[in-house]
Amino acid sequence: DVKVTQSSRYLVKRTGEKVFLECVQDMDHENMFWYRQDPGLGLRLIYFSYDVKMKEKGDIPEGYSVSREKKERFSLILESASTNQTSMYLCASSAGGTGGRALFFGSGTQLSVL
Amino acid sequence: AQSVTQPDIHITVSEGASLELRCNYSYGATPYLFWYVQSPGQGLQLLLKYFSGDTLVQGIKGFEAEFKRSQSSFNLRKPSVHWSDAAEYFCAVGAWNNDMRFGAGTRLTVKP
Repeated sequence: DVKVTQSSRYLVKRTGEKVFLECVQDMDHENMFWYRQDPGLGLRLIYFSYDVKMKEKGDIPEGYSVSREKKERFSLILESASTNQTSMYLCASSAGGTGGRALFFGSGTQLSVL
Repeated sequence: AQSVTQPDIHITVSEGASLELRCNYSYGATPYLFWYVQSPGQGLQLLLKYFSGDTLVQGIKGFEAEFKRSQSSFNLRKPSVHWSDAAEYFCAVGAWNNDMRFGAGTRLTVKP
């Protein structure tokens, strides 16, 4: 089974802190994703990576950056955390090739910014 | 970029009744369409997917969905709902490069 592991289940940070959310997948997937999930808004794509060091902006990239130095690891960085970034963050991965690849999700990181 | 609309935020059905959850998508090419389910406190699980062939696709847990290109829709159905189906359901549309966008979700409540 594909395993997508997010480093923390719960995280509490202060406003202005730099925050790192880590995600690791063990199935050699080319694609990795970061979404945030908020009630009533569903899952919104922050960034998408289709290869090492390659990334595409999603719908809400402002205030976030990402890093993918190794194929299995995709990090989300909040440069200066703000209270409106309090949310559930979901990492996902999928195989490469043509479209239609299903996503496999991690368990999520509930981030609270105080 | 592609997008998804799920018009119903919350639906309540009685156990044993039929279910239909609506999904409309926007994408300029042939879409890759998915339904995922998220039970309380759980991660997202794939129910079914469509990208070609028969427009009626079968999934896990007795769910099916029908792709209607003329209506840009991909509605999820189940003939008889069980209490364990109470969850949040997400429709998603994938692009040629595997970029995936989700709808806002529909929360399903099942009455005894």
